Amino acid sequence: GAGVSQSPRYKVAKRGQDVALRCDPISGHVSLFWYQQALGQGPEFLTYFQNEAQLDKSGLPSDRFFAERPEGSVSTLKIQRTQQEDSAVYLCASSQQGDGTDTQYFGPGTRLTVL
Amino acid sequence: AQSVTQLGSHVSVSEGALVLLRCNYSSSVPPYLFWYVQYPNQGLQLLLKYTSAATLVKGINGFEAEFKKSETSFHLTKPSAHMSDAAEYFCAVRGKGGKLIFGQGTELSVKP
Repeated sequence: GAGVSQSPRYKVAKRGQDVALRCDPISGHVSLFWYQQALGQGPEFLTYFQNEAQLDKSGLPSDRFFAERPEGSVSTLKIQRTQQEDSAVYLCASSQQGDGTDTQYFGPGTRLTVL
Repeated sequence: AQSVTQLGSHVSVSEGALVLLRCNYSSSVPPYLFWYVQYPNQGLQLLLKYTSAATLVKGINGFEAEFKKSETSFHLTKPSAHMSDAAEYFCAVRGKGGKLIFGQGTELSVKP
């Protein structure tokens, strides 16, 4: 079956613009995670959903970052008033179980560049 | 709190040589540990995971890792490197709620 997909793959934004990044998890997967990967760094956790419930948003760096998963499948990560420090690859991962303990499958990521 | 340290941001080996990528963890509870590989412009692919069963874990592409509690280590090895193994490798520990806490990564280069 299809893996995790993300769109767009590349996004260039001018500082101050709002962006929306989409994640399509593997069908039927209950858990969905967002990570941010800065250049030359390991991914860092942003937020976690179990179905439509956002159970952990402790990694969101500021209130400019907002994520949703309204129907428990597709998720959108929105960044308002983008800043240069937001430039990174944003990775989405999904896992089958609701407790987030099983294997996470990653999408290819969205590379965001803020000019 | 859990954390992971990867020793060496860059490792270079010759084709056919042993690959050894080092990972040490810190965890107040029995850890679940993972190794992921990332090829350029791609997402992360799971190589193997330790979930408190056998301490020697075999993964895909000939990789394996050994969990050593006394050394708080989970080093990744492969007996013979291939050119196709050149990539970025990440060690991770499972944190609260299932989130993954990653190390800084080790870039593996393979020389012909």
